[in-house]
Amino acid sequence: GEDVEQSLFLSVREGDSSVINCTYTDSSSTYLYWYKQEPGAGLQLLTYIFSNMDMKQDQRLTVLLNKKDKHLSLRIADTQTGDSAIYFCAESNPHRAGNNRKLIWGLGTSLAVNP
Amino acid sequence: ETGVTQTPRHLVMGMTNKKSLKCEQHLGHNAMYWYKQSAKKPLELMFVYSLEERVENNSVPSRFSPECPNSSHLFLHLHTLQPEDSALYLCASSQDARTGSEQYFGPGTRLTVT
Repeated sequence: GEDVEQSLFLSVREGDSSVINCTYTDSSSTYLYWYKQEPGAGLQLLTYIFSNMDMKQDQRLTVLLNKKDKHLSLRIADTQTGDSAIYFCAESNPHRAGNNRKLIWGLGTSLAVNP
Repeated sequence: ETGVTQTPRHLVMGMTNKKSLKCEQHLGHNAMYWYKQSAKKPLELMFVYSLEERVENNSVPSRFSPECPNSSHLFLHLHTLQPEDSALYLCASSQDARTGSEQYFGPGTRLTVT
């Protein structure tokens, strides 16, 4: 079945850039998402990208999509301590047989920002 | 209140208890979702409601019973749960239930079954 994989941990120094990587298996994925979960909170949609795009930038966030390699990355510029959270990659495909509303989620990458 | 709210935030219950989780969205959305978040597992979609009608039930045991009385409120009724049901239960809403519709999440209810 479809799968999304992420590394579980990333540690960076404050002010550096963070790059969180994600790979997925469904070559027909249409939407790819990055969600952020702070301690004790629900998930917050940070950004998403359509499969016909290679890159999307939104302030400090840059999303890169390599469809050939089925690789998605989230770059956070000038990482701050407030960026410490778990970052989830997810994808969806409205044409997927059976369960087309379902998002396929990674396990999340825990980002630790050290002062 | 704004966004998606969930009550209670924490719940401890015995296996023979009956309890309910409540979710309310103040966003004017038409679709609502229940998710289960367990450690070291991907987020699991449990139920989807669109305009108060259940449109998805992902093989969830019958000890979990959802209810959606209107488009702003969603409940998850719990009875005779098992310890492995301990998890964070997240509610979400979106404008509609179409794929790609942005989902807004509540803070979750941390459930512990003893």
